[in-house]
Amino acid sequence: EAGVAQSPRYKIIEKRQSVAFWCNPISGHATLYWYQQILGQGPKLLIQFQNNGVVDDSQLPKDRFSAERLKGVDSTLKIQPAKLEDSAVYLCASSPDRDYGYTFGSGTRLTVV
Amino acid sequence: GESVGLHLPTLSVQEGDNSIINCAYSNSASDYFIWYKQESGKGPQFIIDIRSNMDKRQGQRVTVLLNKTVKHLSLQIAATQPGDSAVYFCAEMNYGGSQGNLIFGKGTKLSVKP
Repeated sequence: EAGVAQSPRYKIIEKRQSVAFWCNPISGHATLYWYQQILGQGPKLLIQFQNNGVVDDSQLPKDRFSAERLKGVDSTLKIQPAKLEDSAVYLCASSPDRDYGYTFGSGTRLTVV
Repeated sequence: GESVGLHLPTLSVQEGDNSIINCAYSNSASDYFIWYKQESGKGPQFIIDIRSNMDKRQGQRVTVLLNKTVKHLSLQIAATQPGDSAVYFCAEMNYGGSQGNLIFGKGTKLSVKP
């Protein structure tokens, strides 16, 4: 079974620029999550999708972050404009059901300078 | 504040010894817990999970213990190996708003000395 694929692996941008991350979950997994992991901390949920609908985006900074999951498969997370404090690893995870452990991708390491 | 936390931020053990990593949670309504291992440059990897109707669950070289009375979770690793060196996170399933998602603690870094 292929894992959760994420790209790019690394990204360096200047503050106020925009950036987008892509995630391809495990085939058949209905639930998809984006987490932000700041260095030295545990992952923090940004947004949760069930198929192509958003079920929890309460911790997403909506003034600069947006995410979509068209057709209930792949997902993109965008930041515009980026701030220095957005430097982190952005992890995508998927699960067949909300009540089971997630499978995480390797993440995208974002550095904002 | 965070609802899941760890007592020890770092743990150093000798190869072959047993390791115990502890975690406290604050939401008594949580009924599903997971331990993840995260190696440098990788995403968290599922190790073992436990539901609140159990107090112990064993896997290969790992055991998770759940004490609901004091809201405490622990991960025991038997015969710790250098490959076990990583950061370990406990995560608690939050059912706020009926949509489950995982809340992670800060993590414990396990270092195994050869």
